[in-house]
Amino acid sequence: QKEVEQNSGPLSVPEGAIASLNCTYSDRGSQSFFWYRQYSGKSPELIMFIYSNGDKEDGRFTAQLNKASQYVSLLIRDSQPSDSATYLCAVTNTGANNLFFGTGTRLTVIP
Amino acid sequence: KAGVTQTPRYLIKTRGQQVTLSCSPISGHRSVSWYQQTPGQGLQFLFEYFSETQRNKGNFPGRFSGRQFSNSRSEMNVSTLELGDSALYLCASSFTRGDATGELFFGEGSRLTVL
Repeated sequence: QKEVEQNSGPLSVPEGAIASLNCTYSDRGSQSFFWYRQYSGKSPELIMFIYSNGDKEDGRFTAQLNKASQYVSLLIRDSQPSDSATYLCAVTNTGANNLFFGTGTRLTVIP
Repeated sequence: KAGVTQTPRYLIKTRGQQVTLSCSPISGHRSVSWYQQTPGQGLQFLFEYFSETQRNKGNFPGRFSGRQFSNSRSEMNVSTLELGDSALYLCASSFTRGDATGELFFGEGSRLTVL
């Protein structure tokens, strides 16, 4: 069983600040890493995916992966109130769509 | 392009009954996965179907089953319902290419309440 751990929060940041969300996983065989955003009462939607060690940037979002430390993070720059949501970290082996999700971190961006 | 459609959106059942949930994936997507979401356990993988074959299965009892039709539409069934089966059941479709994990597109879910 792959375990994915996230700080449940809530994490509160002021508008314009950087929000840092962290995730650790237990299975060293994990190959693919995903960040999903879930607004209250809505379904999850993919924000970022990362496969290789290092940073991957997409607009205001940066995913960071460190396989040696079994650690993946998501940075949100210039946080906006619309970023307020639960962020889910998910991992899997390449070639499989059976993702293992963390329980999510609830982020609140304060105007 | 239409998204993933799940029906019904809400349903209430009593213990011991069975339930069937339906999922229509995005056109062209051949992979359909099912997840259970509860406040305590979060999102947990149930099973994945690809081209009418179950490709992966999570750690759920045999009361949970599914199938996929030739048009990629999928159904999942839960028999002998228990109170603990109350959850949001999410279907996700993916355009899986070869050995790459595809982006999952989730439907709005079917919220099941077992009384």
